[in-house]
Amino acid sequence: GENVEQHPSTLSVQEGDSAVIKCTYSDSASNYFPWYKQELGKGPQLIIDIRSNVGEKKDQRIAVTLNKTAKHFSLHITETQPEDSAVYFCAVCTTGGGNKLTFGTGTQLKVEL
Amino acid sequence: KAGVTQTPRYLIKTRGQQVTLSCSPISGHRSVSWYQQTPGQGLQFLFEYFSETQRNKGNFPGRFSGRQFSNSRSEMNVSTLELGDSALYLCASSLAGMVSTDTQYFGPGTRLTVL
Repeated sequence: GENVEQHPSTLSVQEGDSAVIKCTYSDSASNYFPWYKQELGKGPQLIIDIRSNVGEKKDQRIAVTLNKTAKHFSLHITETQPEDSAVYFCAVCTTGGGNKLTFGTGTQLKVEL
Repeated sequence: KAGVTQTPRYLIKTRGQQVTLSCSPISGHRSVSWYQQTPGQGLQFLFEYFSETQRNKGNFPGRFSGRQFSNSRSEMNVSTLELGDSALYLCASSLAGMVSTDTQYFGPGTRLTVL
């Protein structure tokens, strides 16, 4: 089955700096790549997603890039703010797999003042 | 539009008991998926329901089961609870469910503690 690796597991940045989280996947049939943010005591919240026919997508301070050849995708957060502190998960959905998401192991992002 | 709701939010059970968790999807959404989240195993897919039929199933024992009603609300049941079943159980809904790249929206989860 699909295998998703996520790095780093923890990331500490200064407010205003950029943060980058990377994920790799194994199944070349994967075609949907969402990113979720999870705050303490809450469920995962979708922050951005990208589909296999697009290489990059941006939404204000958040961007995602996808390299299907290398089977990896990344989350970029610019001008980080304290409220960006949370756990971020990448996920992968594979054609023919219905709505089954395979998640990465998560990145604890801490934005320090 | 209201988000995904899950009840109860917290639950404490003892080993051997069974438990039923409920999920109400976003209005108009027909697909409901369930996930288990633990510190050790992370987020793992349990199963997906669409139009009252289980369409996909993860690698969990038969003690974990679910169902979906005609109004798209879903329940999951865990029988003969074990200590290792302590987890946050998350429900996610999506609009159509027939397209593999459909966006999923998560509820707040039910925190199950097994003593």
